[in-house]
Amino acid sequence: EAQVTQNPRYLITVTGKKLTVTCSQNMNHEYMSWYRQDPGLGLRQIYYSMNVEVTDKGDVPEGYKVSRKEKRNFPLILESPSPNQTSLYFCASQDRGAGYEQYFGPGTRLTVT
Amino acid sequence: AQSVTQLDSQVPVFEEAPVELRCNYSSSVSVYLFWYVQYPNQGLQLLLKYLSGSTLVKGINGFEAEFNKSQTSFHLRKPSVHISDTAEYFCAVSNPSGTYKYIFGTGTRLKVLA
Repeated sequence: EAQVTQNPRYLITVTGKKLTVTCSQNMNHEYMSWYRQDPGLGLRQIYYSMNVEVTDKGDVPEGYKVSRKEKRNFPLILESPSPNQTSLYFCASQDRGAGYEQYFGPGTRLTVT
Repeated sequence: AQSVTQLDSQVPVFEEAPVELRCNYSSSVSVYLFWYVQYPNQGLQLLLKYLSGSTLVKGINGFEAEFNKSQTSFHLRKPSVHISDTAEYFCAVSNPSGTYKYIFGTGTRLKVLA
């Protein structure tokens, strides 16, 4: 089954404790992206990757890091989480071309206290 | 720069009534347009998309949308809604000749009432 998986689905952590949210897709897509969803703000792009070792900032990259060492994986790293990073996070992947749909993971709900 | 506006944050409607969810976009270049749906506690899934050709686009679950270039709109419609259509709906644009970057609207929460 074609899918995007994220782990963990739920995470409660404390300020400053480094964490990683994993994302994996099995569709051989070149393009992957991370979004955060906040009430009233919709989805905002954090980082995206056009291919292995090619990443770029989205609209809200501050406080986040990413890496793309393999085509299927695109982890999101919070080196020093803060309460304003409490949010619902989605990973997405897309086949080549701007007209293709994005496939979304189930989401990771992060709470930083 | 591109932007997407969904003016209605919430739309309540009775079951079997028609509904229209509004989306307007701003772009200096041509765009691809999308509607995604997010059911409670799930990720987003594609409802329909407009790339080119016929301005009336039909999607899954009986939804359709019409691309209006002069009004820069891409409103989503359904002639008769069901309780199961209760969800959040997002309009999005991408640039055909640019990166794969999507710009999403802020979403419209559709609540279907019995």
